[in-house]
Parts: sequence; C-alpha cells; structure tokens
Amino acid sequence: DAGITQSPRYKITETGRQVTLMCHQTWSHSYMFWYRQDLGHGLRLIYYSAAADITDKGEVPDGYVVSRSKTENFPLTLESATRSQTSVYFCASSGAATYEQYFGPGTRLTVT
Amino acid sequence: GESVGLHLPTLSVQEGDNSIINCAYSNSASDYFIWYKQESGKGPQFIIDIRSNMDKRQGQRVTVLLNKTVKHLSLQIAATQPGDSAVYFCAENIWLGGGADGLTFGKGTHLIIQP
Repeated sequence: DAGITQSPRYKITETGRQVTLMCHQTWSHSYMFWYRQDLGHGLRLIYYSAAADITDKGEVPDGYVVSRSKTENFPLTLESATRSQTSVYFCASSGAATYEQYFGPGTRLTVT
Repeated sequence: GESVGLHLPTLSVQEGDNSIINCAYSNSASDYFIWYKQESGKGPQFIIDIRSNMDKRQGQRVTVLLNKTVKHLSLQIAATQPGDSAVYFCAENIWLGGGADGLTFGKGTHLIIQP
C-alpha cells in the first residue's frame, strides 16, 4: 500500500538500550521529518532531512540520531534510551514544492 | 480555541451543529497555514490549507478563515458528525534553514461530538 509507514507501531524498551524507529515513504518526497508528541507539548520536531544524505537538527534533537541513505527511508535511533524519551513518534514527508506534510501512523515508545 | 503554551482545550458540540475551532499563530511573516485532524491512535491528517493572500477558503463541510491583522485562524465545520471527533491542530510554515521549509504546530483542540 502506498504512503508513509512506520515500524514498529509499539515498542517497550529498557533504559540505556538502543532502539531504532523506522520510517518509509513511497512518494519519493524530498523532505522527511521526525516529531515527538507529548501531552502538553504538541508536536515537536526532532530532526528533518531535505534530501538523501542531508539531515539537520530540529527543536529537540538531543539523544537522537538519524540517517538518510535512501530517499524513501528515514530511521530514527535512540542511542541510549531514557524515560524522558517515552512518547509517540511521528514521521512525516513532504514534496519539494509544498509545505503540506503527510504523517505516518506513529510509533508509541515506552522506556522503562 | 488553542494557543501555544496552554493545556489542550476542549470543544463540545451537539451532533448536527456547527463547530468553530480557533488558533492564534505567532509569526506575522508566515504565508501558509494548515489545519490537521488527528483521530485517536492515528497520525495527523491534512484537512484544509490557506495562503496568506486569502482570508477564506472552503472545502467539503469545512471553512478556514484567516485574519492576519490579529494573527488568528479558525476552522469551521458544518453539521458536525460523530466522525469529526478528534484533536484539531493548526500549523504555520517556518524556515528551518539549510534550504528546508517546515511547519510549526499549535497544541491542538479536542473536539467532542455529543449525540
């Protein structure tokens, strides 16, 4: 099915472990984004990418790492998970000539 | 309505009534605005957008109004249905740097439809 997908949809991990959240889009969109959504904070930008091999920090990048070796994939890695990273994570993409972003279904991450 | 920095407001309306959700945006230089709908357990979904050279835009059962003088955006939903129950976010464009444009989002308003 075309669109933007995220995996896993749910993840429980322990403090200190590394975890990678996957994002895949089939539109060949140039831009991809990672957000976290927490009650009281809305959607906050973690990292974004303007094209393959081009990534940059957003509002809350500490503790996260991204890569973009292929246009369609934009994985987000928590190198050493902390409880404060318990959140719902959304990946989004947009074309080069538009501001509209298309969101994936989200990954609910719990760090114990 | 919603405003950055506050708890998530709630709007409760009767099924069949019209709903109006408000949003105060921050950047007078923003030239593009979007309303998103987020149902429980799902990602935000695009509803309607408007550019700063317009003050009104209509879609199917939805209308967005833009008042640049007071930096205010509203979403009107006509004849609300149970499926309209969701959290609604407004977003405005921002310059991220490095040649990238992005969006900044409001906190959201929870719309509840009463039967």
